Amino acid sequence: NAGVTQTPKFQVLKTGQSMTLQCAQDMNHEYMSWYRQDPGMGLRLIHYSVGAGITDQGEVPNGYNVSRSTTEDFPLRLLSAAPSQTSVYFCASSYSGASSGANVLTFGAGSRLTVL
Amino acid sequence: GDSVTQMEGPVTLSEEAFLTINCTYTATGYPSLFWYVQYPGEGLQLLLKATKADDKGSNKGFEATYRKETTSFHLEKGSVQVSDSAVYFCALRGGKIIFGKGTRLHILP
Repeated sequence: NAGVTQTPKFQVLKTGQSMTLQCAQDMNHEYMSWYRQDPGMGLRLIHYSVGAGITDQGEVPNGYNVSRSTTEDFPLRLLSAAPSQTSVYFCASSYSGASSGANVLTFGAGSRLTVL
Repeated sequence: GDSVTQMEGPVTLSEEAFLTINCTYTATGYPSLFWYVQYPGEGLQLLLKATKADDKGSNKGFEATYRKETTSFHLEKGSVQVSDSAVYFCALRGGKIIFGKGTRLHILP
């Protein structure tokens, strides 16, 4: 049981480049989400999805796109990287509904992105 | 929209001291509430949760009670240990799951 797998773990980009952070989970979780973690700012929600084919914006969506074509995968795309997007990115997933484990997030190991 | 506010850190305490980390929230309806912990160099993991008003979540000596009347979910521990040094995040699930800014806790031996 791999849990939530994020790739790559580290990435350096130049301003204006694009890239995709991959996220996959094997727990059949309905809810998936992307956060960025910056010093003093906590975790801020970028985008989230409550099921395949459904995505919505979080607190800081500008400059990022997502799609959810399958239950397992939730890639995050940076369209034109900017230095302000230098951060640590976490993908997380959970069951929805009323079960005892519902809404408890399982996090990936994180992806550290530096934009020069 | 939904929001979570938690006390600024860092918080520095001596071992065996009493800990309170304040958390208040704004949300429509009846969100579930959580505390997560991030130990140095690690990812976030669930510490405890509560799903309805007056529920008390507890784990590893930590407790928090869901207070709807004050929209609060304060984290407490009666006697902290050096191993409790970490960053603590309050979170809520309404339509989506959002976090507070985190409180860094340092425990001195």
